[in-house]
Amino acid sequence: QVQLQESGPGLVKPSQTLSLACTVSGGSISSGTYWWNWIRQRPGKGLEWIGSIFYSGTTYYNPSLKSRVDISVDTSKNQFSLKVTSLTAADTGVYYCAREMGLYCLTTTCPTSYGLDVWGQGTTVTVSS
Amino acid sequence: DIQMTQSPSSLSASVGDRVTITCRASQNITSYLNWYAQKPGKAPKLLIYAASSLQSGAPSRFSGSGSGTDFTLTIGSLHPEDSATFYCQQSFSASRTFGRGTKVEIK
Repeated sequence: QVQLQESGPGLVKPSQTLSLACTVSGGSISSGTYWWNWIRQRPGKGLEWIGSIFYSGTTYYNPSLKSRVDISVDTSKNQFSLKVTSLTAADTGVYYCAREMGLYCLTTTCPTSYGLDVWGQGTTVTVSS
Repeated sequence: DIQMTQSPSSLSASVGDRVTITCRASQNITSYLNWYAQKPGKAPKLLIYAASSLQSGAPSRFSGSGSGTDFTLTIGSLHPEDSATFYCQQSFSASRTFGRGTKVEIK
């Protein structure tokens, strides 16, 4: 049974860069049939999709965050990572990683039919001096 | 970006009631629509994928319907443990988007 676990600092200063990792256990990140996603939830707010990555390194990002976000994959560690630069208090929240079944694609649609079926428990990030 | 509009934003219903939540996409997403339930302090759980397919392990009282731009999540008979916030999400565009959520409370 595949499990995801987020890790990273709980407290980061404004203007700094947040680095989070998501470790995949019970399965291979290189299986070729999954996209690996980051989602966040600000306090008291809804879910916000940040971006996704295929094991080959192809990424898609939320246009509103694209200039500050980078998602990468390390197949040797069975892990994918998120970096968010130029942090402000508005980046405070719970960050989740999640798996989504889908084939590789390189278009603006890239539809998948199976949803985000496995989630990490989430990690709380506070941006404060 | 494809915008997802959910309604209502919240509702209160009694155990045993039939509950319906709607989600509208700003453009045609065919059947690439998923539903999640989130309880406070927990990660969301997938309930319905591809508009109407029940995720393994999800209770059969949950059902989904719709295609194109208009979708519905129905709870056939509300249980006390269904108190949660429900989100729709489109998986048509490479840039995924969620609805703002519908909070379901038990009277």
